[in-house]
Amino acid sequence: GAGVSQSPSNKVTEKGKDVELRCDPISGHTALYWYRQSLGQGLEFLIYFQGNSAPDKSGLPSDRFSAERTGGSVSTLTIQRTQQEDSAVYLCASSLFYRSTEAFFGQGTRLTVV
Amino acid sequence: QKEVEQDPGPLSVPEGAIVSLNCTYSNSAFQYFMWYRQYSRKGPELLMYTYSSGNKEDGRFTAQVDKSSKYISLFIRDSQPSDSATYLCAMALNNNDMRFGAGTRLTVKP
Repeated sequence: GAGVSQSPSNKVTEKGKDVELRCDPISGHTALYWYRQSLGQGLEFLIYFQGNSAPDKSGLPSDRFSAERTGGSVSTLTIQRTQQEDSAVYLCASSLFYRSTEAFFGQGTRLTVV
Repeated sequence: QKEVEQDPGPLSVPEGAIVSLNCTYSNSAFQYFMWYRQYSRKGPELLMYTYSSGNKEDGRFTAQVDKSSKYISLFIRDSQPSDSATYLCAMALNNNDMRFGAGTRLTVKP
């Protein structure tokens, strides 16, 4: 596709349920990032992929969070046993390796845990 | 201390004003410095980037980097209502690893 695509755009889930968020990066982009944006908190780095490997998982807030990327393309962020504090907009971005200064963002998935 | 500090505002200015947005950082290894603009309910989009120290100008926008002070700025001249958005600074090492500031919400009033 022409841009980074994220699905679903909105997700409401009950506390304790698992959710999967999907990111389709721009074709050919080897770097992929997940961020979380909470109201008034700015962008919080979660995890970064180079190809299918994740050199930096330091931003994942707890072991309830995991992410994978397959085929150097699609990535899924999974949150297990969701809590209300997980409510936020989850943003995915991708970039070409050699132009790492420009990351293209999707529109995000707005997650609400009730 | 956060790696990147940015005043979240909000900042409200009249149309035509000069806007100054700033970030400080702690990691002297950062080499790439970016400013992203995010409109409501949209993903951030790259506005400007600078490598190492110096100034960069693009139309009404000027980005400045002072590595000795670990301080970066974005200036917007002749601000317009369409500039109303959240502005996020970002910094990167050489390995694709970006760190963002919290973002400053700007409103330009007609």
